[in-house]
Amino acid sequence: EVQLVQSGAEVKKPGATVKISCKVSGYTFTDYYMHWVQQAPGKGLEWMGLVDPEDGETIYAEKFQGRVTITADTSTDTAYMELSSLRSEDTAVYYCATIQSWGQGTLVTVSS
Amino acid sequence: DIVMTQTPLSLSVTPGQPASISCKSSQSLLHSDGKTYLYWYLQKPGQSPQLLIYEVSNRFSGVPDRFSGSGSGTDFTLKISRVEAEDVGVYYCMQSIQLPPLTFGGGTKVEIK
Repeated sequence: EVQLVQSGAEVKKPGATVKISCKVSGYTFTDYYMHWVQQAPGKGLEWMGLVDPEDGETIYAEKFQGRVTITADTSTDTAYMELSSLRSEDTAVYYCATIQSWGQGTLVTVSS
Repeated sequence: DIVMTQTPLSLSVTPGQPASISCKSSQSLLHSDGKTYLYWYLQKPGQSPQLLIYEVSNRFSGVPDRFSGSGSGTDFTLKISRVEAEDVGVYYCMQSIQLPPLTFGGGTKVEIK
């Protein structure tokens, strides 16, 4: 069974950095791109970027470029998404996802 | 960026009745490899999105056959032949032919009457 298990909820202050993990099992980690998607409260889905776990290459959405870093650790079959310079508008659930399967989501709350 | 436009925004359906959701893309989603990179997801209340349909019309593993996808180029449709209570949630279409960015439709909320 394919599983993407994300790290737990985070509360951060404005200006801080958050790093979320996504550990996969049930498939070969390097076979599929890993995407990260943001969903603000009550809103739709917004793509942030992806990593190719095979070679570590990344592609980022322009909106998040410069603030987001997505990485993949093939020794632990884990992907990471780091978002810096957090502001209140970054309060959202963040998902890791292949096209076929999604993690359970990680709520990040940014509040002073 | 490819803009994905879904209609309607919401749908209230009597159990056992059909439902249809439209998704239009601002550019063709047909790739030179012959595949069309259009997907449908359902996000049930309080859950992560789950894949229903990939490449326009292929049901993902375990998806009931009451769900079907059709369309080509820039116009696509998701149909539910007989809506059940478990089908409530928000449906999203998504394109992956051109990135960055991968883009989603705004979502269609389906509820039961």
